[in-house]
Amino acid sequence: DARVTQTPRHKVTEMGQEVTMRCQPILGHNTVFWYRQTMMQGLELLAYFRNRAPLDDSGMPKDRFSAEMPDATLATLKIQPSEPRDSAVYFCASLASGGTNEQFFGPGTRLTVL
Amino acid sequence: DAKTTQPPSMDCAEGRAANLPCNHSTISGNEYVYWYRQIHSQGPQYIIHGLKNNETNEMASLIITEDRKSSTLILPHATLRDTAVYYCIVRVAGSGTYKYIFGTGTRLKVLA
Repeated sequence: DARVTQTPRHKVTEMGQEVTMRCQPILGHNTVFWYRQTMMQGLELLAYFRNRAPLDDSGMPKDRFSAEMPDATLATLKIQPSEPRDSAVYFCASLASGGTNEQFFGPGTRLTVL
Repeated sequence: DAKTTQPPSMDCAEGRAANLPCNHSTISGNEYVYWYRQIHSQGPQYIIHGLKNNETNEMASLIITEDRKSSTLILPHATLRDTAVYYCIVRVAGSGTYKYIFGTGTRLKVLA
C-alpha cells in the first residue's frame, strides 16, 4: 500500500529554534508539493518540486523557510528561526506524471511554536 | 485567490444522498474541477474530478453544469464515516506542472 510518509507527526518547539520536516513521496512520483493548513488561512500551497528541482516557492516566506529535495525519496521543509505564527499542520503531497493528476497527501506534521 | 465558493457547513441524514454544491464561475476552459475530503486532521483524500462531463466512481458522482460555472458532488448513500470537510478545487496551470487552488470547504456532518 503506497503512501506518502511525513516525520515527525508532531513537533513542539520554542520560538527561534530551527525546525525540519521531512516527507517521503510515493516511490516513482516525481512531483512533490508542500502545503500549510491553519484555521484562519485554510490550505495554502507553499512550494513544489518536479524531479527534485524547485518549480515554484512563491507561497513560502523566503526569509525563514526553505524547501529542498536532496534525493528522489526525500523532501524537506525547514524553518529557521521559527515563530509562533508558524504553528500549523504542514502537509506534503506527491504526484505521478501522467494519469489523473491526483495528489496523494501525507498525514501531516503538526507544528507548535511556543 | 480562491476560485471556488462553497457553503461552510451542511447536515445530511445517514443513508440519504448528500449533495454538496460548489461555485466556480471564473473557471477557465481547460481547468479541471477536483474534489477532496479531509477527515479530522488527516491529509486530504481524493474523491473525483471532471472537466465538463458528469463523472461517477465508487465513491461519488460529480455533476458539472453545462456552462461549467458550478458543480455538485453527490454522495449517494451517506454514512457516518462520510463526516468530513469537502473541498472543491480548481486545478490550474502552475510552473511546469498543475497545482490546486483550495477553497474553504464544506463541513459535512452525517447524522444518525
